Amino acid sequence: QVQLKESGPGLVQPSETLSLTCTVSGFSLTSNSVHWVRQPPGKGLEWMGIIRSGGSTDYNSALKSRLSISRDTSKSQVFLKMNSLQTEDTAIYYCTRGVYYGLLDYWGQGVMVTVSS
Amino acid sequence: DIVLTQSPVLAVSLGQRATISCRASQSVSISSINLMHWYQQKPGQQPKLLIYRASNLASGIPARFSGSGSGTDFTLTIDPVQADDIAAYYCQQSRESHTFGAGTKLELK
Repeated sequence: QVQLKESGPGLVQPSETLSLTCTVSGFSLTSNSVHWVRQPPGKGLEWMGIIRSGGSTDYNSALKSRLSISRDTSKSQVFLKMNSLQTEDTAIYYCTRGVYYGLLDYWGQGVMVTVSS
Repeated sequence: DIVLTQSPVLAVSLGQRATISCRASQSVSISSINLMHWYQQKPGQQPKLLIYRASNLASGIPARFSGSGSGTDFTLTIDPVQADDIAAYYCQQSRESHTFGAGTKLELK
């Protein structure tokens, strides 16, 4: 069955770089896109970016200068890197599978990231 | 960027109909294809796909959920509302890049 699982550090220092990994199973990264979505505590969902089945990427314009998404298809892993973290980047970070027409049909459980010194 | 506007809270009684709206700042439709999707999120859980392309029920979703709309105005309807439906509901467009609405929290009256 389709599964996505996020992993990464729970605590990051301000101004440092966040690195997260999404490990997928049950589908191929060369057949489906993977998106990153985040949710600050008590707030709504924010779309961050996508890596498409062909490997191209697209980012939220508000995060574009700080964000990078890449992948290793042989390991079925997608990576998120975001630099210059601030306290407002504290959030649950989800990876989710994108299918045709851009809907997001399977979601990981999310990983909580706190930005604090 | 396309902005999606949702009312923050909707209070409803069990057994009644709930109508949740989502308005886009520009059309999210291409010909007859409406690139608007709806998600449900319960506290402590990840979002779950409810409705895709405005009116198609996702797999395993009960028939009391339905969606409608085109262009810039979309609606998610729950009829009748059950206790298990108390959650936050988000619309998402995929017409131009991707954005989410701020969410509507469905509460009991």
